[in-house]
Amino acid sequence: DTAVSQTPKYLVTQMGNDKSIKCEQNLGHDTMYWYKQDSKKFLKIMFSYNNKELIINETVPNRFSPKSPDKAHLNLHINSLELGDSAVYFCASSHRSLGTEQFFGPGTRLTVL
Amino acid sequence: QKEVEQNSGPLSVPEGAIASLNCTYSDRGSQSFFWYRQYSGKSPELIMFIYSNGDKEDGRFTAQLNKASQYVSLLIRDSQPSDSATYLCAVDDQGGKLIFGQGTELSVKP
Repeated sequence: DTAVSQTPKYLVTQMGNDKSIKCEQNLGHDTMYWYKQDSKKFLKIMFSYNNKELIINETVPNRFSPKSPDKAHLNLHINSLELGDSAVYFCASSHRSLGTEQFFGPGTRLTVL
Repeated sequence: QKEVEQNSGPLSVPEGAIASLNCTYSDRGSQSFFWYRQYSGKSPELIMFIYSNGDKEDGRFTAQLNKASQYVSLLIRDSQPSDSATYLCAVDDQGGKLIFGQGTELSVKP
């Protein structure tokens, strides 16, 4: 009965590799987000999709590519991983027309060696 | 660049005291304000939101908004050790885009 789920929870990989993180929500929300939280706990939005349409695309390296196959799923693919990509990545969802209360997934801790 | 500023802390208060967490924001046009709590190693969870000037109370939590001063605060009454966490202030930029402050770490000592 998890509301927003992410896989994997932990990801350890070498520089230069390509990896993906998956997110799913069962709240019936129409909008999903990716956030990055750095080592100083600063949480910054990266992308947002509303009904599979990209609506927020922050200044993020184009090595990061989100994809939303349907409004319950949002994936994040990262090419050519760099040391600076190490962070916790959170997925979140909300119902856009009901306000901006966002529900966060448990996070994926990415470590690039 | 729109900004949200918080004191990073740590803020230490004794059990039973009032904890006061403060946040300022740069965009005078901001309309919606949120407080999230994040325990170590966990995801942020929403504890309060406020849209109108004044106070909004929910149990032991009170959010205060002063749009003229571009200031939003969170008061936690009768602080408990279980309130020890990082508190994130967030401002809705537009259309669901939340801008977060750097968070204030609160420690409630028994």
